[in-house]
Amino acid sequence: DGGITQSPKYLFRKEGQNVTLSCEQNLNHDAMYWYRQDPGQGLRLIYYSQIVNDFQKGDIAEGYSVSREKKESFPLTVTSAQKNPTAFYLCASSIAGGGWTGELFFGEGSRLTVL
Amino acid sequence: QKEVEQDPGPLSVPEGAIVSLNCTYSNSAFQYFMWYRQYSRKGPELLMYTYSSGNKEDGRFTAQVDKSSKYISLFIRDSQPSDSATYLCAMSAGGSEKLVFGKGTKLTVNP
Repeated sequence: DGGITQSPKYLFRKEGQNVTLSCEQNLNHDAMYWYRQDPGQGLRLIYYSQIVNDFQKGDIAEGYSVSREKKESFPLTVTSAQKNPTAFYLCASSIAGGGWTGELFFGEGSRLTVL
Repeated sequence: QKEVEQDPGPLSVPEGAIVSLNCTYSNSAFQYFMWYRQYSRKGPELLMYTYSSGNKEDGRFTAQVDKSSKYISLFIRDSQPSDSATYLCAMSAGGSEKLVFGKGTKLTVNP
């Protein structure tokens, strides 16, 4: 089945540690995204990538880093510089270019808790 | 003024009720309007998509866009307990391929 796989589903981290969240898609989509969701805050864009080896900062990129070495993979690293990292993280993908209709396909999310 | 405003609720209705969910926006360049449904502890899924102004119907769901008022709505007829979820509006000017999301409205349909 085609879709987006995020791992781990739940993650606990001590303050000062970096952590990497995995996102893999087999939908053959060019564009991939990382969102953060906090209670009452909606979805906020962290980073996005429209093509391999290229990515752009979203609205809240500080304290995060990404890479896009393969079309299928877009891992997100939450660094120790992120001041409030406890949140629900969602990865998404879409087609890119003129055929885009606004549909994002989301993974099931990763819940990060900083202890 | 925030770019997209959405009443977070929560909204609780009896089964069979008609539900109205709304968002307002300030960016007149928005032309793609979407509603996503998110079940608890899951990722959102696209429910309805509308380009520019007008209505779109899909089964029990109707999406309306009024660009002159910068106002979009989602109506759910004959609501079911399985409709209990958070509904997120989203919109984009296109081209940049970035969506702006509302904060979401949590809906509970009681049997």
